[in-house]
Amino acid sequence: TQLLEQSPQFLSIQEGENLTVYCNSSSVFSSLQWYRQEPGEGPVLLVTVVTGGEVKKLKRLTFQFGDARKDSSLHITAAQPGDTGLYLCAGENTGNQFYFGTGTSLTVIP
Amino acid sequence: DAGVIQSPRHEVTEMGQEVTLRCKPISGHNSLFWYRQTMMRGLELLIYFNNNVPIDDSGMPEDRFSAKMPNASFSTLKIQPSEPRDSAVYFCASSFTGLTEAFFGQGTRLTVV
Repeated sequence: TQLLEQSPQFLSIQEGENLTVYCNSSSVFSSLQWYRQEPGEGPVLLVTVVTGGEVKKLKRLTFQFGDARKDSSLHITAAQPGDTGLYLCAGENTGNQFYFGTGTSLTVIP
Repeated sequence: DAGVIQSPRHEVTEMGQEVTLRCKPISGHNSLFWYRQTMMRGLELLIYFNNNVPIDDSGMPEDRFSAKMPNASFSTLKIQPSEPRDSAVYFCASSFTGLTEAFFGQGTRLTVV
């Protein structure tokens, strides 16, 4: 098992605030994904990062892959209630297997 | 495409009974994963199939758990006998080699009483 630790585990913020979620591992991954999961549903892909140091933006969300391809961060600017959900990072190894992080439960209060 | 289809959505069973969870992956995908999600342990990879062959079952908790993939469009996860600690949401996901994304079903919420 290739363990990915996410922090914080829980986050409750006011609408309009900024936040950053971290995903760390001792393993190197060929790619890293961020998923968002809503209650009663399976995780849905937000973004995939492949190259060390890569930064991707998706509207108010900014994703960064660490230079060593072991860690990643997700930054949300001006959070909105619609951002509420469980955010999961996942590392893909060379065998095309996806290992998920421990998750960050985000609540954005209107 | 209808996406990954899992059945049943909910299952309540008594301890000691056999439970079978079913999954239909996305057509054309050659990788299939079974995951278990709990509050305590998060999303755990149980088993991974590639081209219908089990590649890694190191995440299967114990011999009570077994998984099969008789063809490219169907897989089952069986628990026999079930125990209360097996209560969780079980997800099936599929992908294609080289595609850096796993597509998830809606999950089966299993409750063992």
